[in-house]
Amino acid sequence: QQPVQSPQAVILREGEDAVINCSSSKALYSVHWYRQKHGEAPVFLMILLKGGEQKGHEKISASFNEKKQQSSLYLTASQLSYSGTYFCGTDSRGGADGLTFGKGTHLIIQP
Amino acid sequence: DAGVIQSPRHEVTEMGQEVTLRCKPISGHDYLFWYRQTMMRGLELLIYFNNNVPIDDSGMPEDRFSAKMPNASFSTLKIQPSEPRDSAVYFCASSIPGQGTQYFGPGTRLLVL
Repeated sequence: QQPVQSPQAVILREGEDAVINCSSSKALYSVHWYRQKHGEAPVFLMILLKGGEQKGHEKISASFNEKKQQSSLYLTASQLSYSGTYFCGTDSRGGADGLTFGKGTHLIIQP
Repeated sequence: DAGVIQSPRHEVTEMGQEVTLRCKPISGHDYLFWYRQTMMRGLELLIYFNNNVPIDDSGMPEDRFSAKMPNASFSTLKIQPSEPRDSAVYFCASSIPGQGTQYFGPGTRLLVL
């Protein structure tokens, strides 16, 4: 079953923060986050395995609450380059099985 | 290193024609995935292979769709006959077992008239 992402879209000014949520009705083994720019392929951002860990890369970080089957992506002090569509992909079976992606969150960063 | 390679990048065809999409995964990646992306349905997993063997094809929409992986460096997705509702971007992705990270190819933009 497809995970639910929220919000569907968000518009920010450069330097503002954003949170994107991903929620699943199934128990999760891992959550993967990708960013896709218009006309391009999705690009991997990070993977979170069950255990409630939090990961980060520069000003983008994410958390995973396996009990609630939820993950959140945090973008701090957003930059123009952060614009795009963010997808969470969930894995309920472990290993490298195919992911089930949410419908995406469209993020627009304005100068 | 070269990433996932897909061809053609764009395909325009008429309803009823056969369409073949091609994918070359990253060398050493044992998993290969085919996804379809549309505005309405988002990214959908169609089928995936492990060591050239199809593992799960439950996402393949109909019998008109078929996929093969004759060797570790090549896979095809075929639609026969094609219909306008098949118009979408088709992505191929590959990964290393146990790592989970999937690397996507540039996609094939298919338009069926």
